[in-house]
Amino acid sequence: GAVVSQHPSWVICKSGTSVKIECRSLDFQATTMFWYRQFPKQSLMLMATSNEGSKATYEQGVEKDKFLINHASLTLSTLTVTSAHPEDSSFYICSARGARGGGADTQYFGPGTRLTVL
Amino acid sequence: EDQVTQSPEALRLQEGESSSLNCSYTVSGLRGLFWYRQDPGKGPEFLFTLYSAGEEKEKERLKATLTKKESFLHITAPKPEDSATYLCAVQAVRGYALNFGKGTSLLVT
Repeated sequence: GAVVSQHPSWVICKSGTSVKIECRSLDFQATTMFWYRQFPKQSLMLMATSNEGSKATYEQGVEKDKFLINHASLTLSTLTVTSAHPEDSSFYICSARGARGGGADTQYFGPGTRLTVL
Repeated sequence: EDQVTQSPEALRLQEGESSSLNCSYTVSGLRGLFWYRQDPGKGPEFLFTLYSAGEEKEKERLKATLTKKESFLHITAPKPEDSATYLCAVQAVRGYALNFGKGTSLLVT
């Protein structure tokens, strides 16, 4: 069964509004969670790494003031897209790192959130 | 800079026709190499982790192998339900982030 959940699975919003996406690890504690985005026919691009209780580390070119990440507990991380614009439309996927048979280095991915900004 | 190159970009197989997908990589100190399967509109599903050259892992019709420069995902007697995009990713010793290749889109008919 699913080990990482995301909510919502899809969202449509108007330009200028903010959208929050939740990522939960369901049956293990995730020391580290990651946020990726994926454009059509492209591979996953890492946006940021978040550790529980500390500030997220953003990849080069990712605006930290636009993509707010909060990792409040060992099972929950949230991504807030602030003042969303059409170019932010994408497939956002989170992952959680934890020991679950694949080793402590393995990342387990959520089902993704499709964001469409009108 | 870490690089991951997957080939072929797309592969079409007849049911039962075995083949291999390639993942060539360069990384400053390999912590692990990962294979994932991704279905359209879904998140990647974990398949295998390989840590050192010579290591092999198997799961049903899939077998992953690793050398110092590349990894292969062998698919034996594939079925239509094996159709998906297969992603390869490397993780360097300096951190836990994954660097993904562009994937191989497999269609089994």
